[in-house]
Amino acid sequence: NAGVIQTPRHKVTGKGQEATLWCEPISGHSAVFWYRQTIVQGLEFLTYFRNQAPIDDSGMPKERFSAQMPNQSHSTLKIQSTQPQDSAVYLCASSSGQGTNSDYTFGSGTRLLVI
Amino acid sequence: EQQVQQSPASLVLQEAENAELQCSFSIFTNQVQWFYQRPGGRLVSLLYNPSGTKQSGRLTSTTVIKERRSSLHISSSQITDSGTYLCAMERGNYNVLYFGSGTKLTVEP
Repeated sequence: NAGVIQTPRHKVTGKGQEATLWCEPISGHSAVFWYRQTIVQGLEFLTYFRNQAPIDDSGMPKERFSAQMPNQSHSTLKIQSTQPQDSAVYLCASSSGQGTNSDYTFGSGTRLLVI
Repeated sequence: EQQVQQSPASLVLQEAENAELQCSFSIFTNQVQWFYQRPGGRLVSLLYNPSGTKQSGRLTSTTVIKERRSSLHISSSQITDSGTYLCAMERGNYNVLYFGSGTKLTVEP
């Protein structure tokens, strides 16, 4: 079990460019979550999939951010026209979603820097 | 409004001292979890404790749901315990976690 895998570990983009972040959840986990972590805001929920279906995207900035889960083995978070304020560590987590969070597992994150 | 409040924001201990970390919630929850993170490291789940007292090694968590609070006790602290401890609660039935801003623990020799 390699855990939750996120790629790339680091990404530097120029302002206005697009960034795509990848997440491979733990095999068998039906719930996949995206969070964003910054020094100022701490950990913020972005969006959540269950069995590949989008369930809650209430934390996603309505413009420029989108997330997909085309199959059970990976999810992507896409940021269009990146801005300096998008700089953060983007974290993916997965769980079995069996009513408890006791197996909630985070990836190492993608550190995005927009210059 | 910050839904999860943690205190203290930072704590410095001498090795072998005990630590008490506090967490309170602005709304009722039935899922409380404690995580640990080293600088630049991934979040690691320490204890899942929706109610009562749970122990794992030198860590003991006590959650009193009706009072909307949870605590994490670290006994006989070690230098390797240094890092940030985050409390999280689940809101509703979504399994989505909402995090506090953390307690930064530094254990000195």
